[in-house]
Amino acid sequence: DIQMTQSPSSLSASVGDRVTITCRASQSISNYLNWYQQKPGKAPKLLIYGVSSLQSGVPSRFSGSGSGTDFTLTISSLQPEDFATYYCQQSSSVPRTFGQGTNVEIK
Amino acid sequence: QVQLVQSGAEVKKPGASVKVSCKAFGYTFSGYYMHWVRQAPGQGLEWMGWISAKSGGTNYAQKFQGRVTMTRDTSISTVYMEVSWLRSDDTAVYYCVRGNRVYDAFDLWGQGTTVTVSS
Repeated sequence: DIQMTQSPSSLSASVGDRVTITCRASQSISNYLNWYQQKPGKAPKLLIYGVSSLQSGVPSRFSGSGSGTDFTLTISSLQPEDFATYYCQQSSSVPRTFGQGTNVEIK
Repeated sequence: QVQLVQSGAEVKKPGASVKVSCKAFGYTFSGYYMHWVRQAPGQGLEWMGWISAKSGGTNYAQKFQGRVTMTRDTSISTVYMEVSWLRSDDTAVYYCVRGNRVYDAFDLWGQGTTVTVSS
């Protein structure tokens, strides 16, 4: 199975901050890397697919980059509605696997 | 409106089975793979398997082999997931999810079904 490791597990940031979350795969997944946002009590929401493609309706302050095994999600200017948990996920092979999540909290 | 609507919450005893349904609205049902993902209380996301809405073919995570069955009924655009021999650690929210056509990213999620296993 491909292991997905996110860092950090949690972070505190202020509105307007630039936030970066990293995700590392235990083997190459090409560009089959997706990012999700989850708020408490809600289903996750797809933000970015294929490393860097923005899902329809997602604000442009979200961006993704990387290739092979190392990937990054960046929020250019954190907004109040962005406080949530973020997960990376690989869709290169089965079983599909997720990172453990990064909780973005208000500083 | 494009959406997935799941069946309601369930409470089951250990050893029992549960079957969760997920009905698709607003898109061509047979054009996508459907996945099931679960989330135990306070935990992360765990992929359970997928079913081809077109062919009915399935692929289950090894952890769930022999205990999970995914089926679909194309006449009513619905997929089902049954978990047998329930244990307390199966207590979770279960989501049906559509995989998109390009990267099989999970672009449409059901609202979730809470399954509680308790004696």
